[in-house]
Amino acid sequence: NAGVTQTPKFQVLKTGQSMTLQCAQDMNHEYMSWYRQDPGMGLRLIHYSVGAGITDQGEVPNGYNVSRSTTEDFPLRLLSAAPSQTSVYFCASSYSFIMGTGTDEQYFGPGTRLTVT
Amino acid sequence: AQKVTQAQTEISVVEKEDVTLDCVYETRDTTYYLFWYKQPPSGELVFLIRRNSFDEQNEISGRYSWNFQKSTSSFNFTITASQVVDSAVYFCALTPLIYNQGGKLIFGQGTELSVKP
Repeated sequence: NAGVTQTPKFQVLKTGQSMTLQCAQDMNHEYMSWYRQDPGMGLRLIHYSVGAGITDQGEVPNGYNVSRSTTEDFPLRLLSAAPSQTSVYFCASSYSFIMGTGTDEQYFGPGTRLTVT
Repeated sequence: AQKVTQAQTEISVVEKEDVTLDCVYETRDTTYYLFWYKQPPSGELVFLIRRNSFDEQNEISGRYSWNFQKSTSSFNFTITASQVVDSAVYFCALTPLIYNQGGKLIFGQGTELSVKP
């Protein structure tokens, strides 16, 4: 298994440009999430999905769009990049957390370092 | 509201010292998971432990141990006989154990541990 893969690893954008961060997992996980990591703030949830066709907003969704057309893929779209979106982005996936059953931790991708100038 | 607080921003110790990383959480949910992740200088997130709210047993894994106390809403992490390779940022995280809410990790701000030789 490749686990959770993210592309690209590094990206520089100009203000106003758009782009899509790719995330894929080959573990048949139901749950997928996007986080951003900024210094001193830990990781904050942007959007998450509990299955194909179902997405919801996290703590910091503004400026980002997601869709989940397949179980494997969960792309994150920046429609009009802003300097405030300079960050490291992590995608994660996991099985559903069901009370009383053995469940798994979230698997994180290697991250995408995005700089918006 | 849910919140995770890691009050220690940075800790510096000398090799072989014991060190405890504090984690205090807030949640109204009666069922939840708590996690610790390690982020070494290379940047990836490494899963260390998951504990559910029903299980207050402390856990030991080699030099690592975890103390979960629901009465004080704390989930502290101790490294015994620290080593230089333990130098990293450590994150505590919380997720509700509710259907369709899994995959929503709430992270603390992180504690940067520096172990000097």
